[in-house]
Amino acid sequence: GESVGLHLPTLSVQEGDNSIINCAYSNSASDYFIWYKQESGKGPQFIIDIRSNMDKRQGQRVTVLLNKTVKHLSLQIAATQPGDSAVYFCAEILNQAGTALIFGKGTTLSVSS
Amino acid sequence: GAGVSQSPRYKVAKRGQDVALRCDPISGHVSLFWYQQALGQGPEFLTYFQNEAQLDKSGLPSDRFFAERPEGSVSTLKIQRTQQEDSAVYLCASSLNRNSNQPQHFGDGTRLSIL
Repeated sequence: GESVGLHLPTLSVQEGDNSIINCAYSNSASDYFIWYKQESGKGPQFIIDIRSNMDKRQGQRVTVLLNKTVKHLSLQIAATQPGDSAVYFCAEILNQAGTALIFGKGTTLSVSS
Repeated sequence: GAGVSQSPRYKVAKRGQDVALRCDPISGHVSLFWYQQALGQGPEFLTYFQNEAQLDKSGLPSDRFFAERPEGSVSTLKIQRTQQEDSAVYLCASSLNRNSNQPQHFGDGTRLSIL
């Protein structure tokens, strides 16, 4: 599978590989994080979220890992499919009283069959 | 449908015209957000409503931008005297309540082009 240690704007993988998309968030006071998938011409689609009191959360084919020490978030997609091709954004909310999502730089995932 | 609905999907206006963009949030969602997304960038926060109250408008770029949600449901984002730099996709999102640990669900946006 493909993995990256630092944020890359693009990631190309083969169908069936595992993908890892990385994100560095900005504020140590952030306590809620979301991964979104955005296809061309569509709005961001919720994938998975995680609170700051957790370091891992699993969904269907996706896993989010949170490392608060280095302010790093990653999204792992198992058995990547062509339908997973999209731009992926991580987003954070600063604290319990905060409301606005702060989006990171997106990663364009391209899956070839 | 059950999701956030935005209209129109596309809007073309001449510089100097006023535009109004509409958002229908998910039924029962208390919180409503507007974001602006420039080409190739992530969405950026504009403003937030809890029911009909506009609690945060810190992201609005100028006083030409105005948003309202008079009955706590449908919201309208109005841009007066549009300028070319207003060209972007305007996204609306809603969440169930004011608890920040609730995911925001997005509509497909209005793509605004100012000529």
